[in-house]
Amino acid sequence: AQSVAQPEDQVNVAEGNPLTVKCTYSVSGNPYLFWYVQYPNRGLQFLLKYITGDNLVKGSYGFEAEFNKSQTSFHLKKPSALVSDSALYFCAVRPSGYALNFGKGTSLLVTP
Amino acid sequence: EAQVTQNPRYLITVTGKKLTVTCSQNMNHEYMSWYRQDPGLGLRQIYYSMNVEVTDKGDVPEGYKVSRKEKRNFPLILESPSPNQTSLYFCASSREINEQFFGPGTRLTVL
Repeated sequence: AQSVAQPEDQVNVAEGNPLTVKCTYSVSGNPYLFWYVQYPNRGLQFLLKYITGDNLVKGSYGFEAEFNKSQTSFHLKKPSALVSDSALYFCAVRPSGYALNFGKGTSLLVTP
Repeated sequence: EAQVTQNPRYLITVTGKKLTVTCSQNMNHEYMSWYRQDPGLGLRQIYYSMNVEVTDKGDVPEGYKVSRKEKRNFPLILESPSPNQTSLYFCASSREINEQFFGPGTRLTVL
């Protein structure tokens, strides 16, 4: 089965601290990996993607993600969290073609 | 402005009453897709379309229909809605393997 897992339902972090939102995948072949963010009452917004090349991918709003093939992970990171980063984050994998398989989402809460 | 639009944004209906949720994109994207979002389940794909007149089932297609007669439009049809189709629905579009652009969502309640 080709899937993506987000092991944490919620991540809490204090403003100014680094944050990590975890994602692991199980895909045969070379995966295309994505992170999306959903703010309350909004649709999903694209943050960043890994297709090939450098394992460290930089995206919108200061976020980055590291592709680790040996650990089949694609964790989302930010060096210094903001209260406004509080949202629901989804990891997604594109095993082939156009379809996206989404994780169940991780709620990030950044406290002042 | 590049966008994906959905209508209606909110809908309350009753079991068995046919409904259509429209989706339109102005980016000339080949690929369009419908998802439903339910608490604890994330987003699950209902149907997708790789181009005009080309559609295929996603992970949870039962009870839904779609059509792709024009490149910009991808309506979702519920012929006989049931309460288990109460959910938040998102339409998305993309070009090839690039990121998907999502609509604002349609919150559907079936009584």
